[in-house]
Order: sequence, then structure tokens, then C-alpha cells
Amino acid sequence: DIQMTQSPSSLSASVGDRVTITCQASQDISDFLNWYQQKPGKAPKLLIYDASNLETGVPSRFSGSGSGTDFTFTISRLQPEDIATYYCQQYDNLPITFGQGTRLDIK
Amino acid sequence: QVQLVQSGAEVKKPGASVKVSCKASLYTFTAYYIHWVRQAPGQGLEWMGWINPNSGGTYFAQTFRGRVTMTRDTSINTAYMQLSSLRSDDTAVYYCARDKGSVANPPSFWFDPWGQGTLVTVSS
Repeated sequence: DIQMTQSPSSLSASVGDRVTITCQASQDISDFLNWYQQKPGKAPKLLIYDASNLETGVPSRFSGSGSGTDFTFTISRLQPEDIATYYCQQYDNLPITFGQGTRLDIK
Repeated sequence: QVQLVQSGAEVKKPGASVKVSCKASLYTFTAYYIHWVRQAPGQGLEWMGWINPNSGGTYFAQTFRGRVTMTRDTSINTAYMQLSSLRSDDTAVYYCARDKGSVANPPSFWFDPWGQGTLVTVSS
């Protein structure tokens, strides 16, 4: 199985900050990577697909980049409603696997 | 707006089975794969497999083969996930999620939207 390693596992930031989360795959997955946002007590929501494509309706402050084994998820200007846990997901090989999540809160 | 509504919470004893339903609305149910993903308390996401609601074809992650069954009832636009021989470490929220790709092609593995989740507690 492909292992997905996110870092950091948690972080605190201030409103307006630029926030970056990284995700590393245990093998080359090309750009077969998605990012999800999960707010407390809610189901995940797809934000980014194919590593860098913004899902319809998702604010433009969210972005993704990378290919191969190293990927980055960025929030350009953190908003209070962005408090959530963020997961990367690879779909290059079955089984589908997710990173362990990055918990983001407001400082 | 496309919606998936799941059945309510369940409490089961070790060794029992559980069947969770996922009712789809406001789209053509047979046109999109349904996936199942679970999340143990305070933990990450674990993909279980998918069902093609049109053909009934399924694919399961190796971890769950032999214990999981995925079915559907097209007359009521509902998918089901049944997990048997339950253990305490099966305690989790179980989600259904629609694949964004059509069943005319292989799954895209882009999951959106998701159901609200069903908590399954396994305890003696």
C-alpha cells in the first residue's frame, strides 16, 4: 500500500496568515492526489483534485501543487471558517489511502 | 443539491453484523459509483471499497475482503454496506461518498459529496 505522510500533524495560525501543509507519498503517484477539508463532526469535503485543481465553489485562497512524491496545500490568507482537519488522498494505486491529517486551529 | 443520507447510529456486539444504508437524491443513482470510507474515533480516513450501482459490481480493499458486502436497491436509490464478524476496532463512523466520475468509465476516486456518516459502536 502507498503510505501518505502529512506534516505537520497540527498547527496554529492567525487569521490572515499563509498556511502550508505538506504531503509525501511513499512512491511516485504522478498527480493523482486530492485534498479534503473535514470540519469537526462533519463529513470531509473535496477541495483540490489532481493535485492542483480547485473544486467548483471552493474559495481561491485554497491551492495545491506538486507531483511525484511531494505535494503542498496552501491557504493564502487564513479565515476563521478554515478551522478543520485537512487530509491528502492518493488514487494512483489501490487501495486508496489517506494521510493521517493535519489539524488546523486559530492562534 | 446532490445528497446522500445515511441510516442512524448502531450498537453491536462483537461477532455480529451491521448494515448501513445510504440513500441518494437529486441525481441519477445508477450513473455514479458509491464508495465507503470509515473513520475510527479521533483517527484518519480508511477506504473500504466501491459499488457500481448500475451493474452491482464491487471492489473491496484487501483489509475488508471476506467481511464486507456492498449492495444496492435501485428502486429506492439506496446503497448498502454490510460488515460482518464485528470487532471492537470496527468502532467507527462509516461514510458513503459519491464518485465524481460516471460508471461509464473506471472510478475517478474523487469523493464528493459524502453522506453525514453513521456511527457504529462495537461493544460487549
